[in-house]
Amino acid sequence: EDKVVQSPLSLVVHEGDTVTLNCSYEVTNFRSLLWYKQEKKAPTFLFMLTSSGIEKKSGRLSSILDKKELFSILNITATQTGDSAIYLCAGLPNAGNNRKLIWGLGTSLAVNP
Amino acid sequence: DADVTQTPRNRITKTGKRIMLECSQTKGHDRMYWYRQDPGLGLRLIYYSFDVKDINKGEISDGYSVSRQAQAKFSLSLESAIPNQTALYFCATSDPGPGQPQHFGDGTRLSIL
Repeated sequence: EDKVVQSPLSLVVHEGDTVTLNCSYEVTNFRSLLWYKQEKKAPTFLFMLTSSGIEKKSGRLSSILDKKELFSILNITATQTGDSAIYLCAGLPNAGNNRKLIWGLGTSLAVNP
Repeated sequence: DADVTQTPRNRITKTGKRIMLECSQTKGHDRMYWYRQDPGLGLRLIYYSFDVKDINKGEISDGYSVSRQAQAKFSLSLESAIPNQTALYFCATSDPGPGQPQHFGDGTRLSIL
């Protein structure tokens, strides 16, 4: 059965800290891994990773995929209170028209001032 | 205006009532999805539609039905609501291309008493 596992489930840090969120996956016929940030409302798209070893970067956030070891990490440097959110990752299989995302349970990040 | 709009934003109702949650989008996406989110269970797919004539069950479709009235509209119905359907419901849309990210509405918080 396909699954995506995120760790840790929750994390509390102080402003300025650097955090690493983990996402491991077992997805049949894997195509891509996606990261989302969910604050109080809708999950918003952060990154999509398809190739191993190529870092995606947006400001203080960056992410990389390891297709050999079947995991991805999301790094946040110099954290701010506005980074407090649930971070979700999801695996996308490459199965023709029946592609559905396989979601992890998320990592809840709290950044304290 | 939001690209993906869900109505209502909050709803409290009684067991046995029929409820409809509505979703409309201005993104021009063909694909639309309904999820529910519960603490500790993450996002679970209820139904999805890849175009107006296509409706597919997700992993937890029992007790729900959907209608794709137009490319821009996808509604979710609970024919006879029960308390364990209390959850946060999200509508999402995506383009049909490979690995296109999903874009979420702000959610409907539904409480069944």
